Amino acid sequence: GAGVSQSPRYKVAKRGQDVALRCDPISGHVSLFWYQQALGQGPEFLTYFQNEAQLDKSGLPSDRFFAERPEGSVSTLKIQRTQQEDSAVYLCASSLRPRAGSINQPQHFGDGTRLSIL
Amino acid sequence: AQKITQTQPGMFVQEKEAVTLDCTYDTSDPSYGLFWYKQPSSGEMIFLIYQGSYDQQNATEGRYSLNFQKARKSANLVISASQLGDSAMYFCAMRAARSNDYKLSFGAGTTVTVRA
Repeated sequence: GAGVSQSPRYKVAKRGQDVALRCDPISGHVSLFWYQQALGQGPEFLTYFQNEAQLDKSGLPSDRFFAERPEGSVSTLKIQRTQQEDSAVYLCASSLRPRAGSINQPQHFGDGTRLSIL
Repeated sequence: AQKITQTQPGMFVQEKEAVTLDCTYDTSDPSYGLFWYKQPSSGEMIFLIYQGSYDQQNATEGRYSLNFQKARKSANLVISASQLGDSAMYFCAMRAARSNDYKLSFGAGTTVTVRA
């Protein structure tokens, strides 16, 4: 497809269950980002990949959160033993290959996965 | 670390009028980029406009323009000739021009409602 694709669109899970969220970036985009967006707030950075390398995971809130991008394209964000505070929209974004000094490349976002933990 | 402040939680604007959305930022980085995104109720974040910290001119993109005042650390978005489809949440974001830091830092957003 032309844009970033995320699935599922909605996910409801019981507290304690594990969930997996998928992101299919724009073809050819080297950079991939995950963000968490609480209701009525701006997105908060979770983690960043350049191809298959996870270069920054400073935003992951706990060791229950894990992300991977094994072949440098599709990425999965996994949350283990979910808690109610994990309820949020999880946004994936991709951008072209980063170049030193080139910061004007916008990140292109998917529609997000709305996660609700009961 | 960067901090983005959007002080207007919600705004109403009449169709065909202009609206200005405020954004101030705080950073110690000498070089940075500022972005505005639109988020309709469908949830997708749509890139609108970019301003680099060393750009001499204010950015414009169709009906969107940026009022960039570097000394005041503000980057206000102006939407001219508002349309009903402009009703959405608008986010200001920035990133530093460091080679190892690509993430965006977002403000809390401003909800714009366009009235017919």
